[in-house]
Amino acid sequence: AAGVIQSPRHLIKEKRETATLKCYPIPRHDTVYWYQQGPGQDPQFLISFYEKMQSDKGSIPDRFSAQQFSDYHSELNMSSLELGDSALYFCASSVRRANTEAFFGQGTRLTVV
Amino acid sequence: AQSVTQLDSQVPVFEEAPVELRCNYSSSVSVYLFWYVQYPNQGLQLLLKYLSGSTLVKGINGFEAEFNKSQTSFHLRKPSVHISDTAEYFCAVSDGDDKIIFGKGTRLHILP
Repeated sequence: AAGVIQSPRHLIKEKRETATLKCYPIPRHDTVYWYQQGPGQDPQFLISFYEKMQSDKGSIPDRFSAQQFSDYHSELNMSSLELGDSALYFCASSVRRANTEAFFGQGTRLTVV
Repeated sequence: AQSVTQLDSQVPVFEEAPVELRCNYSSSVSVYLFWYVQYPNQGLQLLLKYLSGSTLVKGINGFEAEFNKSQTSFHLRKPSVHISDTAEYFCAVSDGDDKIIFGKGTRLHILP
């Protein structure tokens, strides 16, 4: 069965650079979530989209932005990267109100040096 | 607002012994409850979920959890652990329309 695909799996950037993380949800899933997991931390909710519209916003820095495209894939754009942005970034997708869980991708490990 | 409390940050247990990882939640609406496992340097894998129906939920790898509405708990149990169960376990809650909120996680250490 198709799963949530995230790319790249690993990314190394320098401070003040920009990074773009991509997420391809499971086909026919209408909701996408982004989470950030710092070292030894629990996943923190960043932002979500339902049917290509932003549906909820968590602790996402102003330097970050995200969008969901017409094909339902989503991108998380991160600018002016800081050392503290080094983390594992997860994307998840689900079908809203369908009594199912969210399925998580394998994550993108971002290292800022 | 929803929240999840995992009462133990680390749980050491001997191999083949039983284990219980505790989770309490708070929510003002109907909840969906989940346990996810994260092995070192890997992503989040769903162990089990409670959406409705029977309060005893069985998951993968021999794990089970019981939804207790009166105690607002969703503790995870396994009768006999294996060294391969060494991982971080996250309890999570959702109302179905909203984001999933994770607990702080419990690190399960299996002792030989």
